[in-house]
This record gives sequence, structure tokens and C-alpha cells, in this order.
Amino acid sequence: DGGITQSPKYLFRKEGQNVTLSCEQNLNHDAMYWYRQDPGQGLRLIYYSQIVNDFQKGDIAEGYSVSREKKESFPLTVTSAQKNPTAFYLCASSPMIEPGELFFGEGSRLTVL
Amino acid sequence: QQQVKQSPQSLIVQKGGISIINCAYENTAFDYFPWYQQFPGKGPALLIAIRPDVSEKKEGRFTISFNKSAKQFSLHIMDSQPGDSATYFCAASMNTGNQFYFGTGTSLTVIP
Repeated sequence: DGGITQSPKYLFRKEGQNVTLSCEQNLNHDAMYWYRQDPGQGLRLIYYSQIVNDFQKGDIAEGYSVSREKKESFPLTVTSAQKNPTAFYLCASSPMIEPGELFFGEGSRLTVL
Repeated sequence: QQQVKQSPQSLIVQKGGISIINCAYENTAFDYFPWYQQFPGKGPALLIAIRPDVSEKKEGRFTISFNKSAKQFSLHIMDSQPGDSATYFCAASMNTGNQFYFGTGTSLTVIP
């Protein structure tokens, strides 16, 4: 089945540790995105990538990093510089056609203790 | 700055009633307006979408109304069912950049 796989679904980490969230898609989509979801704030864009080896900062990129070495993979690292990392993280992809529907994974819930 | 403003934050409707969620935007370059439905612990999924060249789009019990001059669009859920209980997000995007801007979400509860 085609789709987006995020792992892990739940993650607990101590303050000051970097964590990497995995996102893999087999939809052959060019564009991939990372969003952060907090109660009452909707979905906020962290990073997005439209092509391999290229990515752009979204509205809240500080404290996060990404890589896009393969078309199907777009991992997100939450660094110790992120001041409030506890959140629900959503990965999405879309084809590079207009309009491009966003397809979301099931999310990763990160809790920093 | 919130590019897309959504209201209400939460909504409680009786089974069989009409649920209405409103969104407003400022950027006239937006040309695609989707609505996403999200169940707890899941990722959002596309429900219905509209382009600004039409004023209304209907798919089953779900209808988008679009008012280009007022820069507003709304989602109407007719004959609301308990299974419709979810969080709904409006969004907007423009032809360039493939970026999507989301509203803050509406938590809908349909009471049996």
C-alpha cells in the first residue's frame, strides 16, 4: 500500500538530547514537509523539501534540522536548541503538480522529560 | 502572523444538525483551499477542496462555500453524524512554492 510511514509513533527523551524522527514515503512524491501540531495552534511548517538535496525553512525552523538524501526519505532532527520540543510532529508529502494534495503520515508524539 | 484564521475553535452539534466552520484569509495570491479532517492520534486527511473560480463545491454531506470578495470560505456538514466528530482544518496555498497555510483547527463533537 502506498503511503507515508512515520516512526516512532511515541518517543520520550530527556532534556538536552537530540532526537531524530523518521519519515518515509512510497508515493513517488517530490515534495515532503514537516509540521508541528500543538493544541489550539494548528499545523505549523518546520521545513519542506521539493527536491533531493534541497530544503527550505518554514515558519518555525529554529532548533530543528532535516536532510533529503533520498526522494523517499525526509528525517527530522529535534536538537537540544529547540526550547519547547514536546509536540505532535506530522510528516507530509505532495506531488509537484498544482494543486498538490498533501498526504500525511500518522504522526510522532515527542515528549521531553 | 496567522495567514488563515479559523473559527470557531470548538463546536458541538446534535446528530442530524448542520455544522458550519468558517475561515478567512488575506493573501489574494491563494488559489487552492482544502479542508482536512483529523481523528485523534492520526494524521489529517483531505476532505474536500475548492479553487476560487467556483463559489460552491459539494461532495456528499460536505459543502465548501467560497466568497472571493470577502476572502472567506466555509465548510458545511449536513446531517452531522457522531462519526464526523473530529478536528477540522482549513488551509490555503498558492500556485508557487507548494506551501500550505493552515487554520488553527475546529474540534467538532456531534452528540447522538
